[in-house]
Amino acid sequence: EDKVVQSPLSLVVHEGDTVTLNCSYEVTNFRSLLWYKQEKKAPTFLFMLTSSGIEKKSGRLSSILDKKELFSILNITATQTGDSAVYLCAGNTGTASKLTFGTGTRLQVTL
Amino acid sequence: EAGVAQSPRYKIIEKRQSVAFWCNPISGHATLYWYQQILGQGPKLLIQFQNNGVVDDSQLPKDRFSAERLKGVDSTLKIQPAKLEDSAVYLCASSLGTHTDTQYFGPGTRLTVL
Repeated sequence: EDKVVQSPLSLVVHEGDTVTLNCSYEVTNFRSLLWYKQEKKAPTFLFMLTSSGIEKKSGRLSSILDKKELFSILNITATQTGDSAVYLCAGNTGTASKLTFGTGTRLQVTL
Repeated sequence: EAGVAQSPRYKIIEKRQSVAFWCNPISGHATLYWYQQILGQGPKLLIQFQNNGVVDDSQLPKDRFSAERLKGVDSTLKIQPAKLEDSAVYLCASSLGTHTDTQYFGPGTRLTVL
């Protein structure tokens, strides 16, 4: 059975801090790993990672994949209150583009 | 570009009643997904359509849940009869094709079963 585990489950930081969110996966026929941000209802797409060791970056957010260790991290530098959300990680199985999600990490950024 | 549309946004029903949700995917997206997200959990795939055909419905509780995408565009998900444990957010997502990894999500429908 496909499994995605995220840690920590929740995190409270002060504005300006740097955070690292973790995602480990066991997914058959692995194709890619995706990160989403969920603020209220709809998860919004952040990154898709397919190759090991290549960092994807968007502003203050970055992510990297380790296919040998079946692991990915999402980094957020200089956090802002607008970064407060649940961050979801999902493994994609290649057969029919099926996503298996983790339970998410709830990040709260305080002033 | 318009995103994935869903309605209603909220629904409250009594157990054993029926309910239906509607989804209109992004124009041109062949693949449509319905997910169930229970509070505190990640989304769980219920059913995946490629055009009007079902690709994966292995996690759909078929005794009470049904879904259709008759013309290969919009889709409906129905629960009949509803149980208390069906209380969740029902998310619809779409992607260009089955081998296109990026799924784009709609705002979801929050269902409360009393």
